[in-house]
Amino acid sequence: AQTVTQSQPEMSVQEAETVTLSCTYDTSESDYYLFWYKQPPSRQMILVIRQEAYKQQNATENRFSVNFQKAAKSFSLKISDSQLGDAAMYFCAYLIQGAQKLVFGQGTRLTINP
Amino acid sequence: GAVVSQHPSRVICKSGTSVKIECRSLDFQATTMFWYRQFPKQSLMLMATSNEGSKATYEQGVEKDKFLINHASLTLSTLTVTSAHPEDSSFYICSARAPGRLREQFFGPGTRLTVL
Repeated sequence: AQTVTQSQPEMSVQEAETVTLSCTYDTSESDYYLFWYKQPPSRQMILVIRQEAYKQQNATENRFSVNFQKAAKSFSLKISDSQLGDAAMYFCAYLIQGAQKLVFGQGTRLTINP
Repeated sequence: GAVVSQHPSRVICKSGTSVKIECRSLDFQATTMFWYRQFPKQSLMLMATSNEGSKATYEQGVEKDKFLINHASLTLSTLTVTSAHPEDSSFYICSARAPGRLREQFFGPGTRLTVL
Protein backbone atom coordinates (compact mmCIF):
# COMPACT_ATOMS: atom_id res chain seq x y z
CA ALA A 1 0.00 0.00 0.00
CA GLN A 2 1.10 3.51 -0.69
CA THR A 3 2.22 5.54 2.31
CA VAL A 4 3.36 9.12 2.71
CA THR A 5 5.59 10.26 5.56
CA GLN A 6 6.31 13.78 6.72
CA SER A 7 8.90 13.57 9.46
CA GLN A 8 8.74 17.21 10.55
CA PRO A 9 5.63 17.92 12.66
CA GLU A 10 6.64 21.58 12.97
CA MET A 11 9.00 23.97 11.23
CA SER A 12 9.68 27.64 11.61
CA VAL A 13 11.48 30.17 9.47
CA GLN A 14 12.27 33.85 9.51
CA GLU A 15 10.31 36.00 7.13
CA ALA A 16 12.09 36.37 3.77
CA GLU A 17 14.23 33.29 4.31
CA THR A 18 14.01 29.86 2.71
CA VAL A 19 12.60 26.71 4.26
CA THR A 20 12.40 23.12 3.04
CA LEU A 21 9.68 20.69 4.09
CA SER A 22 10.42 16.97 3.76
CA CYS A 23 8.25 14.20 2.40
CA THR A 24 8.96 10.59 1.57
CA TYR A 25 6.61 8.03 0.12
CA ASP A 26 6.44 4.36 -0.60
CA THR A 27 4.99 2.88 -3.76
CA SER A 28 5.50 0.10 -6.26
CA GLU A 29 3.98 2.11 -9.10
CA SER A 30 6.17 3.67 -11.76
CA ASP A 31 3.76 6.39 -12.85
CA TYR A 32 2.09 8.57 -10.25
CA TYR A 33 1.44 12.13 -9.14
CA LEU A 34 2.59 13.94 -6.03
CA PHE A 35 1.16 17.07 -4.50
CA TRP A 36 1.77 19.62 -1.81
CA TYR A 37 -1.33 21.15 -0.27
CA LYS A 38 -1.51 24.08 2.12
CA GLN A 39 -4.14 24.32 4.85
CA PRO A 40 -4.21 27.77 6.47
CA PRO A 41 -6.18 28.51 9.65
CA SER A 42 -9.33 28.80 7.55
CA ARG A 43 -8.99 25.01 6.97
CA GLN A 44 -9.46 25.45 3.19
CA MET A 45 -7.16 23.06 1.35
CA ILE A 46 -5.15 24.85 -1.34
CA LEU A 47 -3.03 23.15 -3.98
CA VAL A 48 0.51 24.52 -3.85
CA ILE A 49 2.32 22.44 -6.44
CA ARG A 50 2.20 19.08 -8.17
CA GLN A 51 4.73 16.77 -9.80
CA GLU A 52 4.23 14.04 -12.35
CA ALA A 53 6.58 11.14 -11.67
CA TYR A 54 7.46 10.66 -15.34
CA LYS A 55 8.83 14.19 -15.51
CA GLN A 56 12.43 14.51 -14.40
CA GLN A 57 12.24 18.28 -14.17
CA ASN A 58 11.30 19.59 -10.76
CA ALA A 59 8.05 21.55 -10.65
CA THR A 60 8.15 25.25 -9.80
CA GLU A 61 5.38 27.69 -8.96
CA ASN A 62 6.71 31.16 -8.21
CA ARG A 63 8.33 30.97 -4.75
CA PHE A 64 7.52 27.28 -4.38
CA SER A 65 9.61 24.51 -5.86
CA VAL A 66 10.10 20.82 -5.26
CA ASN A 67 13.10 18.53 -5.14
CA PHE A 68 11.78 15.28 -6.58
CA GLN A 69 14.11 12.34 -6.14
CA LYS A 70 12.29 9.38 -7.67
CA ALA A 71 14.84 6.72 -6.80
CA ALA A 72 14.91 7.86 -3.19
CA LYS A 73 11.12 8.34 -3.16
CA SER A 74 11.58 11.82 -1.79
CA PHE A 75 9.51 14.90 -2.58
CA SER A 76 10.52 17.97 -0.60
CA LEU A 77 9.00 21.44 -0.87
CA LYS A 78 11.15 24.55 -0.85
CA ILE A 79 9.59 27.88 -0.04
CA SER A 80 11.75 30.86 -0.94
CA ASP A 81 11.38 34.39 0.40
CA SER A 82 8.94 33.18 3.07
CA GLN A 83 5.99 35.44 3.74
CA LEU A 84 3.69 35.70 6.73
CA GLY A 85 0.86 34.36 4.60
CA ASP A 86 2.76 31.13 4.08
CA ALA A 87 2.04 30.13 7.68
CA ALA A 88 -0.12 27.00 7.50
CA MET A 89 -0.22 23.24 7.71
CA TYR A 90 1.42 21.68 4.68
CA PHE A 91 0.42 18.24 3.51
CA CYS A 92 2.26 16.07 1.05
CA ALA A 93 -0.03 13.77 -0.93
CA TYR A 94 0.24 10.85 -3.34
CA LEU A 95 -2.38 10.11 -5.97
CA ILE A 96 -3.22 6.44 -6.37
CA GLN A 97 -3.66 6.18 -10.12
CA GLY A 98 -6.32 3.52 -10.50
CA ALA A 99 -8.69 4.62 -7.78
CA GLN A 100 -7.71 8.27 -8.15
CA LYS A 101 -7.51 8.51 -4.37
CA LEU A 102 -5.20 10.83 -2.47
CA VAL A 103 -3.08 9.56 0.40
CA PHE A 104 -1.91 12.32 2.70
CA GLY A 105 1.11 12.62 4.95
CA GLN A 106 0.78 13.63 8.58
CA GLY A 107 1.38 17.29 7.85
CA THR A 108 3.98 19.89 8.83
CA ARG A 109 2.96 23.03 10.66
CA LEU A 110 4.96 25.97 9.28
CA THR A 111 5.39 29.11 11.35
CA ILE A 112 6.80 32.30 9.86
CA ASN A 113 8.61 34.55 12.31
CA PRO A 114 8.44 38.26 11.48
CA GLY B 1 -13.05 27.96 -11.91
CA ALA B 2 -13.39 24.60 -10.10
CA VAL B 3 -15.05 25.92 -6.97
CA VAL B 4 -16.51 23.54 -4.39
CA SER B 5 -18.84 24.64 -1.61
CA GLN B 6 -20.03 22.90 1.53
CA HIS B 7 -23.05 23.55 3.65
CA PRO B 8 -23.32 24.07 6.52
CA SER B 9 -19.91 25.34 7.56
CA ARG B 10 -20.67 24.52 11.20
CA VAL B 11 -23.29 22.39 12.86
CA ILE B 12 -23.98 21.51 16.44
CA CYS B 13 -26.41 18.74 17.20
CA LYS B 14 -27.59 16.56 20.03
CA SER B 15 -26.45 12.99 20.39
CA GLY B 16 -28.73 10.59 18.52
CA THR B 17 -29.78 13.00 15.79
CA SER B 18 -28.81 12.82 12.12
CA VAL B 19 -26.93 15.53 10.30
CA LYS B 20 -26.68 16.11 6.55
CA ILE B 21 -23.73 17.88 4.94
CA GLU B 22 -23.91 19.03 1.33
CA CYS B 23 -21.03 19.31 -1.10
CA ARG B 24 -21.58 21.17 -4.35
CA SER B 25 -19.41 21.81 -7.37
CA LEU B 26 -20.40 25.33 -8.39
CA ASP B 27 -18.94 25.76 -11.85
CA PHE B 28 -18.29 22.27 -13.13
CA GLN B 29 -19.82 18.83 -13.19
CA ALA B 30 -18.11 16.41 -10.86
CA THR B 31 -18.47 12.75 -11.72
CA THR B 32 -16.49 11.84 -8.62
CA MET B 33 -16.51 13.40 -5.19
CA PHE B 34 -14.57 12.39 -2.10
CA TRP B 35 -15.35 12.72 1.59
CA TYR B 36 -12.62 13.16 4.18
CA ARG B 37 -12.55 13.40 7.92
CA GLN B 38 -9.96 15.43 9.81
CA PHE B 39 -9.45 15.27 13.56
CA PRO B 40 -7.77 18.21 15.33
CA LYS B 41 -4.11 18.56 14.44
CA GLN B 42 -4.25 15.47 12.26
CA SER B 43 -4.22 14.69 8.58
CA LEU B 44 -7.11 14.07 6.21
CA MET B 45 -8.45 10.54 6.15
CA LEU B 46 -10.47 9.44 3.16
CA MET B 47 -13.86 8.09 4.18
CA ALA B 48 -15.45 7.29 0.84
CA THR B 49 -15.47 7.92 -2.89
CA SER B 50 -18.77 9.01 -4.36
CA ASN B 51 -19.64 8.51 -8.03
CA GLU B 52 -22.72 10.07 -9.56
CA GLY B 53 -25.54 7.61 -9.94
CA SER B 54 -23.86 4.73 -8.14
CA LYS B 55 -23.19 3.56 -4.63
CA ALA B 56 -20.30 5.09 -2.76
CA THR B 57 -17.13 3.13 -2.15
CA TYR B 58 -16.17 3.23 1.51
CA GLU B 59 -12.68 2.93 2.92
CA GLN B 60 -11.89 0.11 5.28
CA GLY B 61 -13.14 0.77 8.78
CA VAL B 62 -15.76 3.34 7.76
CA GLU B 63 -19.30 2.32 8.69
CA LYS B 64 -21.47 2.73 5.61
CA ASP B 65 -24.67 2.61 7.66
CA LYS B 66 -23.33 5.36 9.88
CA PHE B 67 -22.10 7.65 7.13
CA LEU B 68 -24.62 7.65 4.31
CA ILE B 69 -23.40 9.15 1.06
CA ASN B 70 -25.62 10.13 -1.85
CA HIS B 71 -24.34 11.52 -5.14
CA ALA B 72 -27.64 12.23 -6.84
CA SER B 73 -26.43 14.69 -9.44
CA LEU B 74 -23.26 15.79 -11.15
CA THR B 75 -22.99 18.81 -8.87
CA LEU B 76 -24.17 17.53 -5.49
CA SER B 77 -23.05 14.91 -3.03
CA THR B 78 -24.39 14.61 0.51
CA LEU B 79 -22.98 12.99 3.62
CA THR B 80 -25.45 12.09 6.34
CA VAL B 81 -24.10 11.21 9.75
CA THR B 82 -26.82 9.04 11.26
CA SER B 83 -27.47 8.80 14.97
CA ALA B 84 -24.53 11.04 15.68
CA HIS B 85 -22.50 10.61 18.85
CA PRO B 86 -19.81 12.80 20.42
CA GLU B 87 -17.07 10.67 18.87
CA ASP B 88 -18.39 11.68 15.43
CA SER B 89 -17.42 15.28 16.18
CA SER B 90 -14.83 16.22 13.59
CA PHE B 91 -14.08 18.36 10.56
CA TYR B 92 -15.54 16.90 7.37
CA ILE B 93 -14.13 17.94 4.00
CA CYS B 94 -15.32 17.07 0.53
CA SER B 95 -13.45 17.32 -2.74
CA ALA B 96 -14.35 16.87 -6.38
CA ARG B 97 -12.66 16.07 -9.63
CA ALA B 98 -13.26 18.31 -12.63
CA PRO B 99 -13.47 17.02 -16.22
CA GLY B 100 -10.18 17.44 -18.01
CA ARG B 101 -8.34 17.87 -14.72
CA LEU B 102 -8.60 14.34 -13.49
CA ARG B 103 -5.35 14.38 -11.57
CA GLU B 104 -6.50 17.15 -9.27
CA GLN B 105 -9.02 17.34 -6.48
CA PHE B 106 -10.72 20.61 -5.60
CA PHE B 107 -11.63 20.92 -1.97
CA GLY B 108 -14.59 22.42 -0.22
CA PRO B 109 -14.11 24.67 2.81
CA GLY B 110 -15.12 21.95 5.25
CA THR B 111 -17.84 21.45 7.84
CA ARG B 112 -17.21 21.38 11.55
CA LEU B 113 -19.56 18.96 13.28
CA THR B 114 -19.96 19.08 17.04
CA VAL B 115 -22.14 16.46 18.69
CA LEU B 116 -23.19 17.25 22.24
